[in-house]
Amino acid sequence: NAGVTQTPKFRILKIGQSMTLQCAQDMNHNYMYWYRQDPGMGLKLIYYSVGAGITDKGEVPNGYNVSRSTTEDFPLRLELAAPSQTSVYFCASSTGTLVEKLFFGSGTQLSVL
Amino acid sequence: AQSVTQLGSHVSVSEGALVLLRCNYSSSVPPYLFWYVQYPNQGLQLLLKYTTGATLVKGINGFEAEFKKSETSFHLTKPSAHMSDAAEYFCAVRKAAGNKLTFGGGTRVLVKP
Repeated sequence: NAGVTQTPKFRILKIGQSMTLQCAQDMNHNYMYWYRQDPGMGLKLIYYSVGAGITDKGEVPNGYNVSRSTTEDFPLRLELAAPSQTSVYFCASSTGTLVEKLFFGSGTQLSVL
Repeated sequence: AQSVTQLGSHVSVSEGALVLLRCNYSSSVPPYLFWYVQYPNQGLQLLLKYTTGATLVKGINGFEAEFKKSETSFHLTKPSAHMSDAAEYFCAVRKAAGNKLTFGGGTRVLVKP
């Protein structure tokens, strides 16, 4: 079982560039999430999805977009990268029941210079 | 709105000593509470969770936490620290009927030989 797979692991962007962070899970989970982690700030929810075709904003959605065309994939798009988006990004998934745990990917470290 | 406060961004303990990580939450409804651990260069993993029932919850790797409603706390403890416990620990809360987690800022644990 691969679990939650994120690519790439590292990326450096120039200001104004665009990129897509990929996330795939093979556990048939309905719920998927994108978090960003900044030092001392914990994890902040960017977007989440409760199933294919359904997405919703989290705490910090500005500057990001998502889509969920399949159960397995939940890509995160940065359209015009800004230095404030320098962070570590984690994708996670869960079964969606009230007592479930989140399964996390290993993260993408993004620097915007 | 719900929130989580972790007291102390860094904790240093000697090997074999007690590990105590503090977490206080605020929630307008009965919460579900979680502790996650993040080892270097990895995603988060669930240590333990409280949903309903017994207020003392045991998790993996010898950790346990006690839900104290009167103190709005969910502190994490381990009687005897091991070198492998060096990691960052996150407390998280969710509404009983919700599908999103709110994370604390994290506490990094250093274990000294």
